[in-house]
Amino acid sequence: DTEVTQTPKHLVMGMTNKKSLKCEQHMGHRAMYWYKQKAKKPPELMFVYSYEKLSINESVPSRFSPECPNSSLLNLHLHALQPEDSALYLCASSQPWREVYNEQFFGPGTRLTVL
Amino acid sequence: SQQGEEDPQALSIQEGENATMNCSYKTSINNLQWYRQNSGRGLVHLILIRSNEREKHSGRLRVTLDTSKKSSSLLITASRAADTASYFCATDITGGFKTIFGAGTRLFVKA
Repeated sequence: DTEVTQTPKHLVMGMTNKKSLKCEQHMGHRAMYWYKQKAKKPPELMFVYSYEKLSINESVPSRFSPECPNSSLLNLHLHALQPEDSALYLCASSQPWREVYNEQFFGPGTRLTVL
Repeated sequence: SQQGEEDPQALSIQEGENATMNCSYKTSINNLQWYRQNSGRGLVHLILIRSNEREKHSGRLRVTLDTSKKSSSLLITASRAADTASYFCATDITGGFKTIFGAGTRLFVKA
């Protein structure tokens, strides 16, 4: 299985809502990533987990809260988002950077709209 | 801030022609990768070139890396309409943990 799955595919939420994005992989990868991508822009790194521990937080606002419950799952909890947070949220996985060269496998993304 | 700068930003060619995209970066890297993204979808890894390699081939793809100029190029030969997508270079910074994507080139191949 060389697939990264993400749910939901689309999400519309109000600024007072709490929602979660989910990402799953069964490739035995021990590094997982969240990216944010605005239209016609490159992906921007948000968080990196290595061996289920948060290793990089790119100064992301606290209204985004990542969680890695086990080596296969990665969640992104959303609370009190702003309309400018509307974007495509991409999850990726790879072997940890220090072990092998860092080819990342991406999920199809969740298209988030904040009203 | 983004490490990689790519040119051209957009490229339109006829099917069968070759497409060349360039990427420049600023800091020392461990490796450089190229990814493809179809509209609104996830990214697909195309090819990885290590910092001690100068050229690499994969099918119709040819990647070069010039670490002295901090630049890379991706050549797609005999392009097809299905190659229409955005192409991003991505660099792993030496001593760092993160991958930084360039601005991307939008390729349109006309049938």
